[in-house]
This record gives sequence, structure tokens and C-alpha cells, in this order.
Amino acid sequence: NAGVTQTPKFRILKIGQSMTLQCAQDMNHNYMYWYRQDPGMGLKLIYYSVGAGITDKGEVPNGYNVSRSTTEDFPLRLELAAPSQTSVYFCASSYGTGSLEQYFGPGTRLTVT
Amino acid sequence: KQEVTQIPAALSVPEGENLVLNCSFTDSAIYNLQWFRQDPGKGLTSLLLIQSSQREQTSGRLNASLDKSSGRSTLYIAASQPGDSATYLCAVRPTSGAGSYQLTFGKGTKLSVIP
Repeated sequence: NAGVTQTPKFRILKIGQSMTLQCAQDMNHNYMYWYRQDPGMGLKLIYYSVGAGITDKGEVPNGYNVSRSTTEDFPLRLELAAPSQTSVYFCASSYGTGSLEQYFGPGTRLTVT
Repeated sequence: KQEVTQIPAALSVPEGENLVLNCSFTDSAIYNLQWFRQDPGKGLTSLLLIQSSQREQTSGRLNASLDKSSGRSTLYIAASQPGDSATYLCAVRPTSGAGSYQLTFGKGTKLSVIP
């Protein structure tokens, strides 16, 4: 199993550009999550999904959009990138029952200039 | 609102020493608590997960305890090694409500084990 994979690893955007961060998991987890991690801060939840076609906002959703058309994939879309979105983005997944233990991808480091 | 605090923010110990990392949380209504390890430039690796009904979990040289009523968890690392150098994060999940899918993270403790 590859676990949770994310692409790209690094990206530099100009202000106002858009991009999609890709996330995929092969563990048949029905729950998936997007977090951002700013320097010296804890991770904050952006969006989550409890299954294909179902998404909901987390703590810091402004400036982002998500979709979940399949169980495996959970892309995060940034529209009109701003310097405040410079961060490291982590995707995670878990089963929807039991311990709900979350498994994380390697992250995408995004810089907006 | 749940807040998670980890003290100290950084810790440097000589190889072979036993050490304790601390995590405290303000709302005791948690479903579980998870300890993670994060290496520089890498993702998070789950180390231990303690359900709210449990008191501790062990994996190899790691032991995590949970005292839900006092809002505290500790991660004990025995016989530390240079390979243990990393940032350790704890995170709690609430029991119910709109935010029950959301882990609340501490800012982490950066551990350096000196050979």
C-alpha cells in the first residue's frame, strides 16, 4: 500500500493564480481531511469529507474548495492565491468507525509571492 | 474551544536518557488522543492513539498515558536514541458535535537527542 500520497511536493504561485493540490489514498478509508501547518503553529483543519460526494468546512476554509467524487481522491483547490496561503498542506485519511486513527501524507509546501 | 498545549517547546537530552513529553488540553470531553512524530520536511507519523476509556498505550520504547479528568497526557520515551530526534505532536478529537471530526493539535515539542 502507498498509503496517502500528495502531489506536488513543492509549488510556488504568484498572487491571484489558482492551483489544485492532489491527494489520494489506497486504504479504502471513507474519511479524508485537509490540514494546513504554519511555522510554529499546530495543524488546522481546512475541509473534511466523510464519503464520496460529502464534504464540510473545518476551522479555516476561506479561500479553498474541495470535491470528493471518488473514495480514493480528495483534491484541494486554491482560487486567487494570497500570501496568507503560504503554508504546508497535509492530507489525511481514516476509517469512519472505530478509533478514527488518522494517517497523513508527506505534505505539499506552497509559497505564494 | 479546545486548546492543546505542549511543554516544553524544545528539549535537548543526551543519548540513553529517559524522557517525558507533556500535553495538556482544556476540554476533557475527548474521544481519543493521538501522538505523532514529524521529521523535518516530512509528514506526520502516528505513534500511539489512546481512546478516552484507556489509561495508557505502549509501543516498543514509547509509552503514552492519559488522565482525561485532569486534561493531561504524557509520552514517555525510554533509552532515547539520536534517531528519536524529531518534533512530537499531540492531538485530541472531541466526543461529539459539529467539530467531532476535527483533531485539535498542539504546537509540538522539538526533541534533540545528542550522541
